[in-house]
Amino acid sequence: GESVGLHLPTLSVQEGDNSIINCAYSNSASDYFIWYKQESGKGPQFIIDIRSNMDKRQGQRVTVLLNKTVKHLSLQIAATQPGDSAVYFCAEAGSNTGNQFYFGTGTSLTVIP
Amino acid sequence: DAMVIQNPRYQVTQFGKPVTLSCSQTLNHNVMYWYQQKSSQAPKLLFHYYDKDFNNEADTPDNFQSRRPNTSFCFLDIRSPGLGDAAMYLCATSRDRGDYFYEQYFGPGTRLTVT
Repeated sequence: GESVGLHLPTLSVQEGDNSIINCAYSNSASDYFIWYKQESGKGPQFIIDIRSNMDKRQGQRVTVLLNKTVKHLSLQIAATQPGDSAVYFCAEAGSNTGNQFYFGTGTSLTVIP
Repeated sequence: DAMVIQNPRYQVTQFGKPVTLSCSQTLNHNVMYWYQQKSSQAPKLLFHYYDKDFNNEADTPDNFQSRRPNTSFCFLDIRSPGLGDAAMYLCATSRDRGDYFYEQYFGPGTRLTVT
């Protein structure tokens, strides 16, 4: 599969602060990216996605930034809350991967009350 | 309402004893996926179906097989489970990509224990 990796395996933030989770990918043909949140014992939950024709997309309290030049993706969570504590994965798919999605390593986010 | 359902949620099997995990979906999606996820690791794609077309990942062991009798159901068969197959197994669905990719919807997973 394609290589999709994260820079930081763990991240701790104070409640109310902003969080930034990073992801690097290696497939230059990747054109669709998803961020997932996974709580312990549960399946991944879709947070936000972005296509390669965009460099920024915003949702509720979340923003995804895509830099295709350096093959880098980030997830920004505003005003982080204790309920945001989870593992966050990026996943990518591209024109050369058929219907397959490949996941990055994951970052464990801990929000300190 | 649950859209991707996995049964059972927890499965205990003995070393070498075949086991089947099931997944069903109410989304009418063309594509269904099976992932293996071990503790503190990312989900690893085992295979996927596009309609009835089976697509195996190159590094998926032959011990893992799958069946998709209709659009709604997909099964993961582990023919001779080893201790290393203990993991969370995740089922996901998506619309077929066409000109654009669409998000995957995941089930809650089945936690497999091998004794």
